[in-house]
Amino acid sequence: GENVEQHPSTLSVQEGDSAVIKCTYSDSASNYFPWYKQELGKRPQLIIDIRSNVGEKKDQRIAVTLNKTAKHFSLHITETQPEDSAVYFCAAYNQAGTALIFGKGTTLSVSS
Amino acid sequence: GAGVSQSPSNKVTEKGKDVELRCDPISGHTALYWYRQRLGQGLEFLIYFQGNSAPDKSGLPSDRFSAERTGESVSTLTIQRTQQEDSAVYLCASSSSRYNEQFFGPGTRLTVL
Repeated sequence: GENVEQHPSTLSVQEGDSAVIKCTYSDSASNYFPWYKQELGKRPQLIIDIRSNVGEKKDQRIAVTLNKTAKHFSLHITETQPEDSAVYFCAAYNQAGTALIFGKGTTLSVSS
Repeated sequence: GAGVSQSPSNKVTEKGKDVELRCDPISGHTALYWYRQRLGQGLEFLIYFQGNSAPDKSGLPSDRFSAERTGESVSTLTIQRTQQEDSAVYLCASSSSRYNEQFFGPGTRLTVL
């Protein structure tokens, strides 16, 4: 079945720096890759997603890149702010498209 | 309602008791998912419902876990003979279809004493 690996598990940056989180997946049939942000005690919320027909997508300070050949995708946050501090999860669907398999999460801390 | 709702928000039970968790998806969303999130951990897929199709139950950890959904309405997750390792936040999510954004509910925090 699908397996999603996420690195690093923790990431500390200074305000204004960039942050990069990387994920790899195992099922070559996967075609949808969302990123979720979860603040402490709150529900996960989608921040950006990418489908397999594009290699990059941007939304203001957030971007996601996808390399289908290498089966990895990355989240890039530029000009980080303290409110970016949260746990970020990447995910990929299993081959049947029924189960969204999540990475173990990255705890991002942005200090001012 | 405007979003996914879940009840109860918190549930404390004794080992061996059965519990039932409820999820109300966004109206019109055909896909519904249950996840388990242990403290400080990631989201673990449990089960997926899509309309009237057979559910994908491949994530259910044991036969003590079961879930039902009637059509495109509410879903209930039942855990029988609860164990301490069942303690976690149980999250429900719905989406308009597969491969679309999943909207999460606030979760039910289950504590098994």
